[in-house]
Amino acid sequence: NAGVTQTPKFQVLKTGQSMTLQCAQDMNHNSMYWYRQDPGMGLRLIYYSASEGTTDKGEVPNGYNVSRLNKREFSLRLESAAPSQTSVYFCASSKTPFTSGELFFGEGSRLTVL
Amino acid sequence: RKEVEQDPGPFNVPEGATVAFNCTYSNSASQSFFWYRQDCRKEPKLLMSVYSSGNEDGRFTAQLNRASQYISLLIRDSKLSDSATYLCVVKEVSNFGNEKLTFGTGTRLTIIP
Repeated sequence: NAGVTQTPKFQVLKTGQSMTLQCAQDMNHNSMYWYRQDPGMGLRLIYYSASEGTTDKGEVPNGYNVSRLNKREFSLRLESAAPSQTSVYFCASSKTPFTSGELFFGEGSRLTVL
Repeated sequence: RKEVEQDPGPFNVPEGATVAFNCTYSNSASQSFFWYRQDCRKEPKLLMSVYSSGNEDGRFTAQLNRASQYISLLIRDSKLSDSATYLCVVKEVSNFGNEKLTFGTGTRLTIIP
């Protein structure tokens, strides 16, 4: 039972490089999210997709783009990475947007930007 | 002022003891409340929702105090496996009807044998 799968789990980038974090869920959930977690900051929402075909900005969207490829997949792209984007990124999904408060998270992707 | 505030800890508690920690929130219109658990270098997982009347799940009890705008988590007969960071989560609805979940920074708990 995979749940939410993120790739890659670890990545080191140089400033200015680009990369895409991939996320897929097999729970037939409608809503998907990308969060970042930094020490002392808590989880902060970058972008979310309430349902297939829609995406919305969260609290910290600058420097990121997203694509809801289909119901299962939601990718996060860093076009020109900056050291401030060094963080742990979590993808999550839920049946409906935020309603129940239960989000299912992937294992996280640890990104370092040098 | 942060929207959701938690004492970061760490709380170092002997096995078998009872431990409690609080979380305060700033938006009085907040609708729903949750506790998540996050093990070291792992993803967060929902521990329990917090209901207005308070609720219990085994050794865990969650309480909501709307007047003082805080929620609490009580763990009785603590186990080594309870060692984790506990995240307070608050659901708000904006004036435009948009919902969002705000996560606290977490309280780190270590149970000592």
